[in-house]
Amino acid sequence: QQQVKQSPQSLIVQKGGISIINCAYENTAFDYFPWYQQFPGKGPALLIAIRPDVSEKKEGRFTISFNKSAKQFSLHIMDSQPGDSATYFCAARDNGGFKTIFGAGTRLFVKA
Amino acid sequence: DTEVTQTPKHLVMGMTNKKSLKCEQHMGHRAMYWYKQKAKKPPELMFVYSYEKLSINESVPSRFSPECPNSSLLNLHLHALQPEDSALYLCASSLDRGNEKLFFGSGTQLSVL
Repeated sequence: QQQVKQSPQSLIVQKGGISIINCAYENTAFDYFPWYQQFPGKGPALLIAIRPDVSEKKEGRFTISFNKSAKQFSLHIMDSQPGDSATYFCAARDNGGFKTIFGAGTRLFVKA
Repeated sequence: DTEVTQTPKHLVMGMTNKKSLKCEQHMGHRAMYWYKQKAKKPPELMFVYSYEKLSINESVPSRFSPECPNSSLLNLHLHALQPEDSALYLCASSLDRGNEKLFFGSGTQLSVL
């Protein structure tokens, strides 16, 4: 059972453009929604995270938008750079089981 | 030191071999995790240790045996693996089991022949 649905599977963006990745969830017990960035040959690294009582969080070029009623959240990367080319995973933490559930991942390629 | 260090980086083993993966962190984290990641897939949770005690086992086959000798070290003992067990094995840690922020190592790329 896929508890966190992520789209698109892959994304190509021009340098300077906006990259948008979307995720949806069903489990209302999720209480923490992180995004992880993974480069080839490396483990995932926490990029930015949000809690459901906040509708938006911005850190530099990265913004999470959160819609609690729709059970959806998204990552926006402004002024995308070739160095942002990586796989991005949205995730959700189940406060009951203390597990982090990952979405399927989005492979982002930023063209120079 | 904010690193999770995993050794070896690469491992090739036969189906009859016994090998171990090692993970170390010195951030004072009391929760440690093993994840398995197949190519182009998300990490899948295998085990969680909290204060050196096994807290979660996600119905992992017994050919994978975790061990937490102390609060800084986590091992994964491998025996009689199958080719389908070939994957990137990631270790992670967090301040404690209730803390959401995971710090991942770079993983061990395992190939089972």
